[in-house]
Amino acid sequence: GAVVSQHPSWVICKSGTSVKIECRSLDFQATTMFWYRQFPKQSLMLMATSNEGSKATYEQGVEKDKFLINHASLTLSTLTVTSAHPEDSSFYICSASSAGGVSFSYEQYFGPGTRLTVT
Amino acid sequence: SQQGEEDPQALSIQEGENATMNCSYKTSINNLQWYRQNSGRGLVHLILIRSNEREKHSGRLRVTLDTSKKSSSLLITASRAADTASYFCATDAGGAQKLVFGQGTRLTINP
Repeated sequence: GAVVSQHPSWVICKSGTSVKIECRSLDFQATTMFWYRQFPKQSLMLMATSNEGSKATYEQGVEKDKFLINHASLTLSTLTVTSAHPEDSSFYICSASSAGGVSFSYEQYFGPGTRLTVT
Repeated sequence: SQQGEEDPQALSIQEGENATMNCSYKTSINNLQWYRQNSGRGLVHLILIRSNEREKHSGRLRVTLDTSKKSSSLLITASRAADTASYFCATDAGGAQKLVFGQGTRLTINP
């Protein structure tokens, strides 16, 4: 099946620093990647949609200057949390989908998540 | 925005029993999916049901979809301790491949 990886799996950073999280599709080309955040015992909230080679589309209420998304290739998207603060501490999950191929239609394949703790 | 509502929010049953989780949504959909999430992990896709389907099976999983009531259910039969996880429904109501997730049901299987 389609595999999506994230790196790092967890990170602790100091307030004011920036953190980059990578999302990779390992065995397929992902034309679209999605970034979610999840607070403890809550559901996933979509932050932004990332299409290869174009600017990300952010959901309402998500600061694009704070959460920088780059989708430079068909297998890699990055999320950079800039000037992180304790309230940014959360579980960040990416997913990837491929526009081509019937078997991938509609389905998103999720990475294992990255736990960010800002101290 | 999260539009799906799931109930119950938490469910605890004995191993071997069946577990049923429900999901309701508000707008028209093309398909609905169910995912499982183990604590602190990513999501695992379980099953997708299209709007023109009423029921779908996959192993011990049975999913139903009632578009007239805008609801779906996930039944796990003969539950096992390894089924302990959170279960989320997700619809394509967000458009452009976006998924809108329900609030999830935390399922605990007691040995």
